[in-house]
Amino acid sequence: GNSVTQMEGPVTLSEEAFLTINCTYTATGYPSLFWYVQYPGEGLQLLLKATKADDKGSNKGFEATYRKETTSFHLEKGSVQVSDSAVYFCALRRLAGGGADGLTFGKGTHLIIQP
Amino acid sequence: DGGITQSPKYLFRKEGQNVTLSCEQNLNHDAMYWYRQDPGQGLRLIYYSQIVNDFQKGDIAEGYSVSREKKESFPLTVTSAQKNPTAFYLCASSRTGDSNEQFFGPGTRLTVL
Repeated sequence: GNSVTQMEGPVTLSEEAFLTINCTYTATGYPSLFWYVQYPGEGLQLLLKATKADDKGSNKGFEATYRKETTSFHLEKGSVQVSDSAVYFCALRRLAGGGADGLTFGKGTHLIIQP
Repeated sequence: DGGITQSPKYLFRKEGQNVTLSCEQNLNHDAMYWYRQDPGQGLRLIYYSQIVNDFQKGDIAEGYSVSREKKESFPLTVTSAQKNPTAFYLCASSRTGDSNEQFFGPGTRLTVL
């Protein structure tokens, strides 16, 4: 079945540090991939997406590349800010290859940026 | 403004009572979804609907029920059969199609006492 694995948190960094949050997936076919961000007590906001192999999604300084050969979609940012502190979720849309709709999520990575 | 609304933000119920969570969207999306979020477990799909008057079970549908009588609305009922109902519930909607992202509401935190 479909699954998403992302690195456990919390991840604590200093402001202006380089960020990588690893995400790998298992799926039938070639699903669309997403990164969502959740601030405390709120719903999820889409951060970026990629719909086919070698696509790079980017937004607000974050980027991730759809790597079919390694089934990965790692999230990166060159210089993090305190305001980036949140929980980040990697997800895949599981319509590809048929079957149920909906997103399959990783467990989330809590990112803490210290000034 | 287009978006998804969920009400109420916080909900308290006694054990054994059914409770209905509201979800409304004005994005003109055909598909709507309900997820449950527990600490350290990510989000899990409860039910989804791709069109009015039709819905399908997700991964953890037991103890829940839904209806989709209108395109804009997808209420979720947490029944007394749900063994561990205390959680954060998130509603989402999207256009149909694999590449389309889901838009999420602000969530309802349900606590069963």
